[in-house]
Amino acid sequence: GAGVSQSPRYKVAKRGQDVALRCDPISGHVSLFWYQQALGQGPEFLTYFQNEAQLDKSGLPSDRFFAERPEGSVSTLKIQRTQQEDSAVYLCASSLSMDYGYTFGSGTRLTVV
Amino acid sequence: AQSVAQPEDQVNVAEGNPLTVKCTYSVSGNPYLFWYVQYPNRGLQFLLKYITGDNLVKGSYGFEAEFNKSQTSFHLKKPSALVSDSALYFCAVRDPISSGSARQLTFGSGTQLTVLP
Repeated sequence: GAGVSQSPRYKVAKRGQDVALRCDPISGHVSLFWYQQALGQGPEFLTYFQNEAQLDKSGLPSDRFFAERPEGSVSTLKIQRTQQEDSAVYLCASSLSMDYGYTFGSGTRLTVV
Repeated sequence: AQSVAQPEDQVNVAEGNPLTVKCTYSVSGNPYLFWYVQYPNRGLQFLLKYITGDNLVKGSYGFEAEFNKSQTSFHLKKPSALVSDSALYFCAVRDPISSGSARQLTFGSGTQLTVLP
């Protein structure tokens, strides 16, 4: 597609539920990033893929967070046993080359109740 | 480690007046610098970037930014503000020679720009 597509746009989860957030990057973009944006804050880095390889997961806040990109295209961010502090907008971005910057999706707003 | 500071949470400017949104950065090498804009319930939209070359960078919607290495700043500017420019603006930096998580962008906390009619 023309841009980075994320689904769902909104997700309400009960505390303790598992959720899966999907990112469909721009075709041909080898780099894919996940960011977490809390209300009123700037995005915070979670993890980075180059093709199917997860090269950096240093930003994942706990072992409840897991991301995958098995075929080097679509990526899924999974959060197990959600907690209220997980409530945030989760942004996905893809890039062809670092010199060209990143294209962001519209994000998934997760609310844990 | 790389970092970005946006010292103003809020900037108000009258329509037609020039606007400046401030950004300072800290990296160990030569920085890649970016500005993004975010409208409510939307993702981040790219405005402009500095990689190398001319210190004055021109971007989308009439915005420009000036890279100042001695002051480690990358302030966003526009000669004449529009009401439609009202949004949340983020400065971001990447240090291309760092190891590890060098590919990630580090964002500032954002500046809410309000252009008053």
